[in-house]
Amino acid sequence: ETGVTQTPRHLVMGMTNKKSLKCEQHLGHNAMYWYKQSAKKPLELMFVYNFKEQTENNSVPSRFSPECPNSSHLFLHLHTLQPEDSALYLCASSRGLAGVHYEQYFGPGTRLTVT
Amino acid sequence: GDSVTQMEGPVTLSEEAFLTINCTYTATGYPSLFWYVQYPGEGLQLLLKATKADDKGSNKGFEATYRKETTSFHLEKGSVQVSDSAVYFCALSDNDSSNTGKLIFGQGTTLQVKP
Repeated sequence: ETGVTQTPRHLVMGMTNKKSLKCEQHLGHNAMYWYKQSAKKPLELMFVYNFKEQTENNSVPSRFSPECPNSSHLFLHLHTLQPEDSALYLCASSRGLAGVHYEQYFGPGTRLTVT
Repeated sequence: GDSVTQMEGPVTLSEEAFLTINCTYTATGYPSLFWYVQYPGEGLQLLLKATKADDKGSNKGFEATYRKETTSFHLEKGSVQVSDSAVYFCALSDNDSSNTGKLIFGQGTTLQVKP
């Protein structure tokens, strides 16, 4: 596989469930990101990891718990979610922390529905 | 704080029509500006970028010019194709806090091109 992959592509969960989203990048990048994409709203940055260390938590509720065991893998653990958490969750990676110099590469996303 | 505002969509055009998608920004420093495109079922891809005032980014027939005086970065294409149908996102990276990993996105504009 090449690029950034995400599994599962679709997930339906109840508010009391616990589930995890997985992201894997095959690009040799060092930085990884979680974004939330809701309908008609700007893309929201959730977390940033650089060399496995979290460098940004954008005031995300604790029911979202990220994990980055190595530079190639990023997880988002979900528990006791709310219906308003239903959205497309996008993972991205970049060689270094993105900005002017390092382009972010995105995965296709996980479509999450909380019932 | 920094922000990006895009024109509301959807934008519906006939093939070979001229495209403009407006984007304006608010930033305290001297940001870099980006256009990303999201095709159906895929992640975001970088389309073009500009890093300083009066720079023009271009790719695949799309262009955008960094206008500091009007704080704008409008996306244009002279002749759209059906394959250009996608969601387009304007984004900025604040160079004053360079390489923090933060990209600020607009809400996206859906383009539909009809044959």
